[in-house]
Amino acid sequence: DIQMTQSPSSLAASVGDTVTITCRASQNIGVYLNWYKHKVGKAPKLLIYAASSLQTGVPSRFSGSGSGTEFTLAITSLQPEDFATYYCQQTHSNPSLSFGGGTKVEI
Amino acid sequence: QVQLVESGGGVVQPGRSLRLSCVASGVSLRTYDMDWVRQAPGKGLEWVAAVSHDGRGEYYSDAVKGRFTISRDNANNTIYLQMNSVRPEDTAFYFCVRNILIGFIGRHYYYGLDVWGQGTTVTVSS
Repeated sequence: DIQMTQSPSSLAASVGDTVTITCRASQNIGVYLNWYKHKVGKAPKLLIYAASSLQTGVPSRFSGSGSGTEFTLAITSLQPEDFATYYCQQTHSNPSLSFGGGTKVEI
Repeated sequence: QVQLVESGGGVVQPGRSLRLSCVASGVSLRTYDMDWVRQAPGKGLEWVAAVSHDGRGEYYSDAVKGRFTISRDNANNTIYLQMNSVRPEDTAFYFCVRNILIGFIGRHYYYGLDVWGQGTTVTVSS
């Protein structure tokens, strides 16, 4: 099974900041890596697929990079609605999937 | 507008069974693979199971393999998760999710979970 590890598990930031979240895979997954945003009480939302492709409708302040085993999600000019928990997910072994442990972005 | 609505959650004793349902509206599910994802209290998202668009392929996480069964009724646009021999650690919010082909880049296909239901709560407790 492919294990996904995110860091940090939480971070504090302010509106207007730039934040970066790291995700590491236990084996080479190419760019089969998605990022999701999850706010309490809401359904998770797909932000980025194939490591760096923005899903339709997602603001350009979100960006993803990386390949192989190390990936990064960056959010520039943090907005109030961006405070949420972010998850990476590998689809290399689709349909068997796995998520990272999540990174909570707090004010 | 595509909508997924889960039902069937509740309180169940350890060792007993429960069946979750997920009904879709606004789209026919027959061409999509479908998944169940859960979130235990205070924990992150955990992939549980997937079923292929035609129901012939079933895939499970190690945590539920042998106890849970995913299935579908395309005629009624419904996905099921039969949960047997439930354990306290199965206590979670369960989401029904559509797994869709999102992109074709460099001769590779990329998938993602693009539509999520609002979820249903399962509590395993004596």
